[in-house]
Amino acid sequence: GAGVSQSPSNKVTEKGKDVELRCDPISGHTALYWYRQSLGQGLEFLIYFQGNSAPDKSGLPSDRFSAERTGGSVSTLTIQRTQQEDSAVYLCASSQTSALSTQYFGPGTRLTVL
Amino acid sequence: SQQGEEDPQALSIQEGENATMNCSYKTSINNLQWYRQNSGRGLVHLILIRSNEREKHSGRLRVTLDTSKKSSSLLITASRAADTASYFCATPITGANSKLTFGKGITLSVRP
Repeated sequence: GAGVSQSPSNKVTEKGKDVELRCDPISGHTALYWYRQSLGQGLEFLIYFQGNSAPDKSGLPSDRFSAERTGGSVSTLTIQRTQQEDSAVYLCASSQTSALSTQYFGPGTRLTVL
Repeated sequence: SQQGEEDPQALSIQEGENATMNCSYKTSINNLQWYRQNSGRGLVHLILIRSNEREKHSGRLRVTLDTSKKSSSLLITASRAADTASYFCATPITGANSKLTFGKGITLSVRP
């Protein structure tokens, strides 16, 4: 079946604006993750959804960041009042169960905040 | 704090040579995974080795795990220019298996 898809692939926005990033996981995968990767850096964990359980939001850097997952499938990551330091590639991944399983990554959304 | 740390940070080799990349981690793990990333976009899973395994092969890839030293190595044999990419090791945080922690990665350049 299709892999993880993300949209948009690139987003340029002005400081202070809100942005929404979308992730479509692999069908049947119960776990969904968001990561952030700044230039030349490793991946920074943001948030994790597992089935109907409350999400693990411990990686969200500030209350400007939020995410939801509707119907256990598509997820949206929202960044309010964007700042220049929010510029990064935002990666979504899904897996069949948990981090014990292989994670399948989407191509990412490159966010640039001017 | 970073769980996994790769070494070296950058590696440049000639096509046909073998590339060895190392990863060290700090706490007990259930498994260790290696990923590859091209052009700063999505990561591709290469191989997963469980804590009770010592060595695993997949094509030209060979991964070892030494839990006593808390280290793993990824060997790519007979490298090709197409192997040029960043390579990351990742480990689940013990007790919080929801999170994979990634190192900063190794940049591998294979010269044709």
